[in-house]
Amino acid sequence: GNSVTQMEGPVTLSEEAFLTINCTYTATGYPSLFWYVQYPGEGLQLLLKATKADDKGSNKGFEATYRKETTSFHLEKGSVQVSDSAVYFCALITNAGKSTFGDGTTLTVKP
Amino acid sequence: GAGVSQSPRYKVAKRGQDVALRCDPISGHVSLFWYQQALGQGPEFLTYFQNEAQLDKSGLPSDRFFAERPEGSVSTLKIQRTQQEDSAVYLCASSPEARGPTDTQYFGPGTRLTVL
Repeated sequence: GNSVTQMEGPVTLSEEAFLTINCTYTATGYPSLFWYVQYPGEGLQLLLKATKADDKGSNKGFEATYRKETTSFHLEKGSVQVSDSAVYFCALITNAGKSTFGDGTTLTVKP
Repeated sequence: GAGVSQSPRYKVAKRGQDVALRCDPISGHVSLFWYQQALGQGPEFLTYFQNEAQLDKSGLPSDRFFAERPEGSVSTLKIQRTQQEDSAVYLCASSPEARGPTDTQYFGPGTRLTVL
């Protein structure tokens, strides 16, 4: 079956540090890939997505590139802020619309 | 308009009780999803509605779980004879289009169910 494996957390960084959260996937066919973010007390919300190989999704300074050859979709940000503290979920959706989520990575950014 | 809302936000049930969890999707959204999220894990798919039709219930863990969306808007997830392993956060999500590979799902805040 399909699976998504995320870098284990928690991740603690100082403000303005560089962020990478690794995500790899296993799926048949060519899924679309997503990063969702969950801020404290709120529901999951879409951060960015990529629908085909080599596409780069970007939003709020975050980026992720769909790498088919390494089946990866790593999340990066050049300079994190305290307000980026949240739980980040990597997910895939197959052509049939079936979704699979990773277990989430908790990020804490300290001033 | 408003986002996806869920009620109650917290529910404590004694083992064996029945519970009903409500989801109000974004107005006009065609698709509605239910997920179960155990502590420290990602959401696990339970069931999918396209308007009032339940097109996929492959993720429902047992016949104690039942979901409906009779008028194609509000949905209710019912769990009969709750067990401790049912303790989790239940998430509802909606999407403006029929389920597909690129749809963006809009999530509610979830209902945290604790079964004692």
